[in-house]
Amino acid sequence: GAVVSQHPSRVICKSGTSVKIECRSLDFQATTMFWYRQFPKQSLMLMATSNEGSKATYEQGVEKDKFLINHASLTLSTLTVTSAHPEDSSFYICSARGLGVGPQETQYFGPGTRLLVL
Amino acid sequence: GQNIDQPTEMTATEGAIVQINCTYQTSGFNGLFWYQQHAGEAPTFLSYNVLDGLEEKGRFSSFLSRSKGYSYLLLKELQMKDSASYLCAAMDSNYQLIWGAGTKLIIKP
Repeated sequence: GAVVSQHPSRVICKSGTSVKIECRSLDFQATTMFWYRQFPKQSLMLMATSNEGSKATYEQGVEKDKFLINHASLTLSTLTVTSAHPEDSSFYICSARGLGVGPQETQYFGPGTRLLVL
Repeated sequence: GQNIDQPTEMTATEGAIVQINCTYQTSGFNGLFWYQQHAGEAPTFLSYNVLDGLEEKGRFSSFLSRSKGYSYLLLKELQMKDSASYLCAAMDSNYQLIWGAGTKLIIKP
């Protein structure tokens, strides 16, 4: 149980284009989803927290107009990187938290999406 | 402020035991998590402690002392596949996870 998928697993795009990443909870309803970014050999950095049906809460320093998050259902959240630039190249990982799934408040992670902007 | 401290790197021998320590300071406390992250992959959940004491799960055990703001992850009978980063994360009063930078564990034959 508690499986989270992410798609795509890897994407290469040109500078200035937008990229959408999907995060799905496959076998549970995710009341809250989280989006992280991780640069090589660095720790996880939380970008934003989203609850189903409401606006995402962004961490300080994360541009909400650049990183659009939609959490339209209890099993799907999307992150759109708009007008991507090379400095946005990173490993983007989502996690999901749901009621009655594992120990209280446990976050289960998707496999991550590696983004390379040329 | 909120802070998690754990060693940057540790080395151990295959078949041995290793203990990875973590100290935390948070605004309120709702539990301590350990995750394993292999290079190039996302973290996977290992354990959750909210009460003092030791939780054993196969070769892995996790300990918590709330009064000391301290936890450790104990790995027994080390295998080469245990080479990974181990992330300590404490949950604050707002149910937000405060992440440590991770401990890179290197297993040698």
